[in-house]
Amino acid sequence: DGGITQSPKYLFRKEGQNVTLSCEQNLNHDAMYWYRQDPGQGLRLIYYSQIVNDFQKGDIAEGYSVSREKKESFPLTVTSAQKNPTAFYLCASSRRRGGNQPQHFGDGTRLSIL
Amino acid sequence: GESVGLHLPTLSVQEGDNSIINCAYSNSASDYFIWYKQESGKGPQFIIDIRSNMDKRQGQRVTVLLNKTVKHLSLQIAATQPGDSAVYFCAEEIYSGGGADGLTFGKGTHLIIQP
Repeated sequence: DGGITQSPKYLFRKEGQNVTLSCEQNLNHDAMYWYRQDPGQGLRLIYYSQIVNDFQKGDIAEGYSVSREKKESFPLTVTSAQKNPTAFYLCASSRRRGGNQPQHFGDGTRLSIL
Repeated sequence: GESVGLHLPTLSVQEGDNSIINCAYSNSASDYFIWYKQESGKGPQFIIDIRSNMDKRQGQRVTVLLNKTVKHLSLQIAATQPGDSAVYFCAEEIYSGGGADGLTFGKGTHLIIQP
């Protein structure tokens, strides 16, 4: 089945540690996205990528980094510079960015601080 | 796990009744809208979308209505079932400059089904 796979489902970060969240899609989509979701709030865009080897900052990129070396993969690193990393992280993909295309989501990674 | 429905507006409906979930959008330039359903601990699931050249679109047990005059979007769910319990949120696509800026998401409404 085609879809988006995020791993791990739960992740714990120690003080000063970088952690990487995985996102893989087999939908052959060009665009991929990372969002952060906090209780009672809408999704906030961290980074997006419209094509391999290119990515752009979203609204809350500080303390995060990404790479897009393959079309299928868009990992997110939460660095030690992100002082409030506890949240539910969602990865999404779409055929392309904009142009009336729905985004399809994975089932998220919940990150907590130890 | 922690619910994404905390602190959200709540709509409580009897099983079998129809549900109407509302969303107000702010940008009159938006021309594409989506409704998503999110169950606890899962990612958002696409329900239905509508473009601004339409007023109404129907899917299986769901209807989306778009009123561009008052910038209002609604999702109607017919014959609500226990499995419909979730957070529902709308998203809009805003165009600016030479292209689309991507989707902007609302905070959501928590739909609770009473037996």
